[in-house]
Amino acid sequence: AQTVTQSQPEMSVQEAETVTLSCTYDTSESDYYLFWYKQPPSRQMILVIRQEAYKQQNATENRFSVNFQKAAKSFSLKISDSQLGDAAMYFCAYRSAPGGGSEKLVFGKGTKLTVNP
Amino acid sequence: NAGVTQTPKFQVLKTGQSMTLQCAQDMNHEYMSWYRQDPGMGLRLIHYSVGAGITDQGEVPNGYNVSRSTTEDFPLRLLSAAPSQTSVYFCASSPRTGNTEAFFGQGTRLTVV
Repeated sequence: AQTVTQSQPEMSVQEAETVTLSCTYDTSESDYYLFWYKQPPSRQMILVIRQEAYKQQNATENRFSVNFQKAAKSFSLKISDSQLGDAAMYFCAYRSAPGGGSEKLVFGKGTKLTVNP
Repeated sequence: NAGVTQTPKFQVLKTGQSMTLQCAQDMNHEYMSWYRQDPGMGLRLIHYSVGAGITDQGEVPNGYNVSRSTTEDFPLRLLSAAPSQTSVYFCASSPRTGNTEAFFGQGTRLTVV
C-alpha cells in the first residue's frame, strides 16, 4: 500500500521569507499523481499544486513550487514570499493513475505552518 | 454549482446511537470517499467508491458502513457510535482521471459522549 510521510509536524517562517515543507512517499508504481492541499482554520481543503509523475518538470503556481525527485520519492513544497494568509495545515497526498492501482487518495499527517509578521 | 454538500456540520451523539452523515455531489464524479481527521493523524480514508454500486474499505473502516446507490450520493453510517469515533469527517469526490483535484465537503464535527 502507498504511504505518505510528512516529517515536519510544525514549521514557522517569517513573513516575506521562503519555507520548504517536506514530503516523501512509498510506492512501487511508476505512474501516479502528487498533490499539496492547504487547510486553513476554516477547515476547507484547498488544492495548492499538483504534479504528474511522468512529467520531469517541477510544477509551479505563483509563489508555490515543488521539488519532485522521483527516484528519491520526494515531493517538497516551497512557498516563496510567505504571506500571513499562508498560515494553515498543509497536506501532501498521493493518488495512483487510473488502472494502475486502487485510485485511493492517500494523505500524509500534515505540517502546520505558522507565518510570523 | 453546489459542488460537494455534506450534512450536518456539527453533531453530538450518545454512545450506542446510530446516525448517517450525508454527502452529495452534483459534478457527476465517479470517485467518492470519506475521511476522518484527528489531531496529528492527518486525513485517514474510511471508505471509498469508484462508481454506483461499488464500494471498498479504506484504512479505518471498522464501525462504519457505506453504500453507493447513485452517482450523486455516498452516505456514511455509524451503526453504534463510540467515543473513539469523535472526529471531523470529510467527504470528497473527483473524476477518475487521477490528476484531477478532489473536491471536499465542509466537514462534519462529530462528538460522541
